[in-house]
Amino acid sequence: AQSVTQPDIHITVSEGASLELRCNYSYGATPYLFWYVQSPGQGLQLLLKYFSGDTLVQGIKGFEAEFKRSQSSFNLRKPSVHWSDAAEYFCAVGDRRDDKIIFGKGTRLHILP
Amino acid sequence: DTAVSQTPKYLVTQMGNDKSIKCEQNLGHDTMYWYKQDSKKFLKIMFSYNNKELIINETVPNRFSPKSPDKAHLNLHINSLELGDSAVYFCASSQDGKTRGLPRAQYFGPGTRLLVL
Repeated sequence: AQSVTQPDIHITVSEGASLELRCNYSYGATPYLFWYVQSPGQGLQLLLKYFSGDTLVQGIKGFEAEFKRSQSSFNLRKPSVHWSDAAEYFCAVGDRRDDKIIFGKGTRLHILP
Repeated sequence: DTAVSQTPKYLVTQMGNDKSIKCEQNLGHDTMYWYKQDSKKFLKIMFSYNNKELIINETVPNRFSPKSPDKAHLNLHINSLELGDSAVYFCASSQDGKTRGLPRAQYFGPGTRLLVL
């Protein structure tokens, strides 16, 4: 069965610093991968997705993610974070056989002024 | 315009009561979902419907019953509420979710925060 691991429960970075959030997946074939962001008290917003093709995926709000099959990873990056990026970030893997998306447990991003 | 909307946003109720949460999407999507997010932020799918047909039904107590009057609406009815039902419930939708091969990105509503006392 597919699964998603986000090794970091909390990450703290200074405003303006670069960011990388880690995501590892377990899946028997080429996965479909997603990153979502959840601001406090809000629903989940799709940042980006990977289905096939170019392994570097650009998303909204200046985020990008790179699919690395050899490492079973799909890490999220941003070159310079803003205070408004403070939120919970979820990595997710989609199953080709049905409509399920399995979510990781999330990484809470804190931004220092 | 709100793409996926849920009502109510907050729901506080007593154990044993029956309550419903409504969800509507105006994206023209074919598939809708209900998720439960627990206090540790873990998000788990409960149900999905495609064109009013139940597709995914995870291991959820039968006190939870989804109802889809049309493909733009998916309501969640919960009978005999228990303390452990306290959580945030998210509705989501996607396009062509039933078509095998390419799971579409899901778009989420703002959530309904349910507190059972």
